[in-house]
Amino acid sequence: NAGVTQTPKFRVLKTGQSMTLLCAQDMNHEYMYWYRQDPGMGLRLIHYSVGEGTTAKGEVPDGYNVSRLKKQNFLLGLESAAPSQTSVYFCASSRQGVYGYTFGSGTRLTVV
Amino acid sequence: DAKTTQPTSMDCAEGRAANLPCNHSTISGNEYVYWYRQIHSQGPQYIIHGLKNNETNEMASLIITEDRKSSTLILPHATLRDTAVYYCIVRGPNNAGNMLTFGGGTRLMVKP
Repeated sequence: NAGVTQTPKFRVLKTGQSMTLLCAQDMNHEYMYWYRQDPGMGLRLIHYSVGEGTTAKGEVPDGYNVSRLKKQNFLLGLESAAPSQTSVYFCASSRQGVYGYTFGSGTRLTVV
Repeated sequence: DAKTTQPTSMDCAEGRAANLPCNHSTISGNEYVYWYRQIHSQGPQYIIHGLKNNETNEMASLIITEDRKSSTLILPHATLRDTAVYYCIVRGPNNAGNMLTFGGGTRLMVKP
């Protein structure tokens, strides 16, 4: 049981490049989330999904797009990366209801 | 969701109990208290949650005051591996998508 798996773990992008971060969970969780964490800061919610085919904006959605075509996968896309998007990105999933989240180990992204 | 207030940092001696306080004076009757922790560079880890009654699991105990305006997370025998940032979060059951809002947390340093 792998839990929540994020790929890649590290990436360096040039300004203007695009990329997709993949999050996969094997717990059959309905809900999935993407957070970013800047150095010395708390986590901020980018986008989330309450089920296959549905997505919604979180606190800081600008510059990102997401898709959830399959229940187990939640993709985060950066169409045109900017240095301000340098951060650690965490994916999480949860069951519907008052349950806790399971987080992935993070993707460390640097945009130069 | 109600806001929370936590001390910025705390120290604890190894082997002693670590008591981490959280104030949530504006909590509503149906809002839950959640605790997570984040060990350096790792994804956050769910610890425990509760509504009214005290809760205990293999990781920690959660003590919620009778008026529910504050709570304490107790790590009964802190080890060096418990050094982390601990987040107290309040969330209602009707929060769309089970979203969690992370604040600054308490940085717990367990010392030998």
